[in-house]
Amino acid sequence: GENVEQHPSTLSVQEGDSAVIKCTYSDSASNYFPWYKQELGKRPQLIIDIRSNVGEKKDQRIAVTLNKTAKHFSLHITETQPEDSAVYFCAASKGWSSASKIIFGSGTRLSIRP
Amino acid sequence: ETGVTQSPTHLIKTRGQQVTLRCSSQSGHNTVSWYQQALGQGPQFIFQYYREEENGRGNFPPRFSGLQFPNYSSELNVNALELDDSALYLCASSSSYPRDRGPEGDEQFFGPGTRLTVL
Repeated sequence: GENVEQHPSTLSVQEGDSAVIKCTYSDSASNYFPWYKQELGKRPQLIIDIRSNVGEKKDQRIAVTLNKTAKHFSLHITETQPEDSAVYFCAASKGWSSASKIIFGSGTRLSIRP
Repeated sequence: ETGVTQSPTHLIKTRGQQVTLRCSSQSGHNTVSWYQQALGQGPQFIFQYYREEENGRGNFPPRFSGLQFPNYSSELNVNALELDDSALYLCASSSSYPRDRGPEGDEQFFGPGTRLTVL
């Protein structure tokens, strides 16, 4: 069935360093890959997304890469700041062919050490 | 913040009871999806409503049902509550073109959620 695996489950980095979160997906028909940030007690917030016709996308300190052949995608955060501390979820969707159902990974708890 | 709202914020029920959760979609959005997020896990898709009809369903039993109204707001109903139904229930709204125009409107924006506790 459809599955998204996410690693690591927890990640602690020094402020200013980079953080990388990796995900794999099982359904080759997936064509949309959003990343969500969820702070404690708050809603998941879409921070960046990538579609299957693009290999890389960048937005300021955040970048995502996608390898469709290997069914891997990754989130890169550079120059980390204390406010980056949160749980990050990767996700995959097949768009309208599957009611735009988003399949989420299990999450990565990112902590930024001052 | 998104324009998606949910009510109530918190709810406590006992096993066997029924509950109704509400969601108002963002202006201009015509599709609402519901997710269940258990503590420490990622959200799981329950179902989606588009133009007042169920447009897809996840692996949840029939006691989870929903409605969408002409103004695109939506309700999630859960009957015969079980302890494992305790979770954060999130709705997400999106803007979706008719299917024959291709897969548009993939972005989903979440509401603040309803925390349901079943005792």
